[in-house]
Order: sequence, then structure tokens, then C-alpha cells
Amino acid sequence: GAGVSQSPSNKVTEKGKDVELRCDPISGHTALYWYRQSLGQGLEFLIYFQGNSAPDKSGLPSDRFSAERTGGSVSTLTIQRTQQEDSAVYLCASSPRQGSYGYTFGSGTRLTVV
Amino acid sequence: EDKVVQSPLSLVVHEGDTVTLNCSYEVTNFRSLLWYKQEKKAPTFLFMLTSSGIEKKSGRLSSILDKKELFSILNITATQTGDSAIYLCAVAFYNTDKLIFGTGTRLQVFP
Repeated sequence: GAGVSQSPSNKVTEKGKDVELRCDPISGHTALYWYRQSLGQGLEFLIYFQGNSAPDKSGLPSDRFSAERTGGSVSTLTIQRTQQEDSAVYLCASSPRQGSYGYTFGSGTRLTVV
Repeated sequence: EDKVVQSPLSLVVHEGDTVTLNCSYEVTNFRSLLWYKQEKKAPTFLFMLTSSGIEKKSGRLSSILDKKELFSILNITATQTGDSAIYLCAVAFYNTDKLIFGTGTRLQVFP
């Protein structure tokens, strides 16, 4: 596609429910990144993919968080048993290859856990 | 622990003013420093700096890196209301593809 597409754009969920956030990167971009941004904070790294592999998932805050990427394209970030502290904007970015930092970011998913 | 610190946190200026945003870092395996502009949700890439002392310029924006003193500055001259945004600084590493971001500087430019 023309840009990085994320869905849903907004998600309100009850504490304890599972949520799935989707990222559709720019066609042909092999590197895909997930960050989150809490209110008033900078971006916090979660995980990145090169192709379908995740060389660095050190930013995932707990084992409730997981992510996968299939076909070198779409990625899904899953949060199980959501907690209020998970409330944030989850941003996905893609770049043509690993080590190319002029990321193109999506518009994010605003997750609110009530 | 790797750390990126930006200052000031917030800045309010009038159109036409010149502003300087600061970013300092304490990291291991430093590779490059990047600047992004975030107006609504999606940050957009401005500059990547890898070598000390070489200014990067794009229109009214310019940036430079000092690898000895571990900081970078982003200058915006003749500010316009469209420059209002959060400016994010980030550090890239040799041993991983992740970026570590500062908390950003919120710039507000009033007419």
C-alpha cells in the first residue's frame, strides 16, 4: 500500500480482555517495528521484525505481549489479559530494510483499557 | 542503562523566532542519532546524523551532532505556525535495529 496502515485506529477494551492490533506495512518493506507511546512520553520500543523473524523482542513488557508477522507483510500485536497500564498509542513503522532508519510510521492504534 | 534526554520539554515562541532543541545521550554501541517531527500521531523522519560536526540542513531546519560531548541540536529558523509539533530525538545502535527515543520537546509557535 501507499503508507503504513494500522487497525483499529481506536480500541476500548475491558480490563482482562485480549486485544489484537494489526499493522500493514508498505509493500516491499522488509523491516517492521512496533513502538508504544504513553501519554506525555516518548516512543518505547517493543519488537522489530526482519522478514518474519524477530531479532529483537527485548522491549515487550511482559509475557502478556506477543507479536507475529506472516508472509513478510502483515504483523499482529496481541495483548492478553489487558491491564490499565497497557493504555497507550501503539505505533507501527516499516522501512525498506534492516538498518534503514527513515521509518514510515502508521497513525497508530489508541488503546484504552477501562 | 541507555538514556536519551531532550530539553526543553516545552517551548512557546512567536512566528519568526529561532529555536534550538537539545538532545543528549548516554548509550553503548552508538551508531546514529535521528530527529523526527510528530504533529498528530505518526512521527515523520527529519534527519539522521552519524558523523560529528557535519551539519544537515533542510530548508529552515538544521541539525548537528557532537559525538565527543554526546549531544545534538536541532535548529529551526524563522519559525512558522506549521512548525508546531513534538520533536523527537532517537539513538540507533550497531548491535540491534531498535531505536531509543527521548520524551520529546513540544514546540508551539503562535502568530
